[in-house]
Amino acid sequence: KQEVTQIPAALSVPEGENLVLNCSFTDSAIYNLQWFRQDPGKGLTSLLLIQSSQREQTSGRLNASLDKSSGRSTLYIAASQPGDSATYLCAVALAGGTSYGKLTFGQGTILTVHP
Amino acid sequence: KAGVTQTPRYLIKTRGQQVTLSCSPISGHRSVSWYQQTPGQGLQFLFEYFSETQRNKGNFPGRFSGRQFSNSRSEMNVSTLELGDSALYLCASSLAEGTGYTFGSGTRLTVV
Repeated sequence: KQEVTQIPAALSVPEGENLVLNCSFTDSAIYNLQWFRQDPGKGLTSLLLIQSSQREQTSGRLNASLDKSSGRSTLYIAASQPGDSATYLCAVALAGGTSYGKLTFGQGTILTVHP
Repeated sequence: KAGVTQTPRYLIKTRGQQVTLSCSPISGHRSVSWYQQTPGQGLQFLFEYFSETQRNKGNFPGRFSGRQFSNSRSEMNVSTLELGDSALYLCASSLAEGTGYTFGSGTRLTVV
C-alpha cells in the first residue's frame, strides 16, 4: 500500500525566503507525482506534474524534483511571497494497469509567509 | 476554458438521508475521480470512472457509489448518511493517461 508523507507539517517564513517542502513515498513504482496547493475551503490547484521518467519540472518560482529510487520529491519555492501562503499537497499515482487513475495524497504542508 | 464544475457547493443533510453530488469535467476529459477530504483523514480516494466504467475503487463502504454518463459527467451518491460523512468532496478530471488531474472547488457536505 502506497503511503505518502510530507515534512514539515507546517512552516512559517518571512517574505523573500527560499524554501523547500518535502514529500516521500513508500512504493517507488510510481507513474507520476503531482504537486498541488489548496487555499482554505477551496479546491486543489495543480502546480507541477512530474512523470516517473523525469527528474524535475519548473514553473516560474517553483521547481519540483523527483528521485524515484529513494522515494522522494521536493518542491522548491524561490523568493516566497505572502500570496504563497496555502497548504501544499503532493500526490502520487502508482504504475501498473490503470492504477494511475488513483492518487494517494500526503497530509500536506501548511505554509505561512509573513510580510 | 471552463474548469471542473461541482454542484452544489454546500449541502446540509440529516443523518439517515441520502445525497447526490454532481461533477462536470473539463470538456474532452474522460476520466473522473472523486475524493473525500476531512481534517482527520486528509484526502482519500473514493473511485474513478473512465468511459462510464468504474476503473478504480477506494476503501469506502458500499453506501458510497457513483456513476458516469456518456457525456463524462459524473455523480456520486451517499446513502444512509452518518455524521462522519461530513467532509469536502472533491471531483477531478483528466484528459488522458499521465496528463495529471484538474480538481473542482468541491462540495461541502455537512451531516447533522
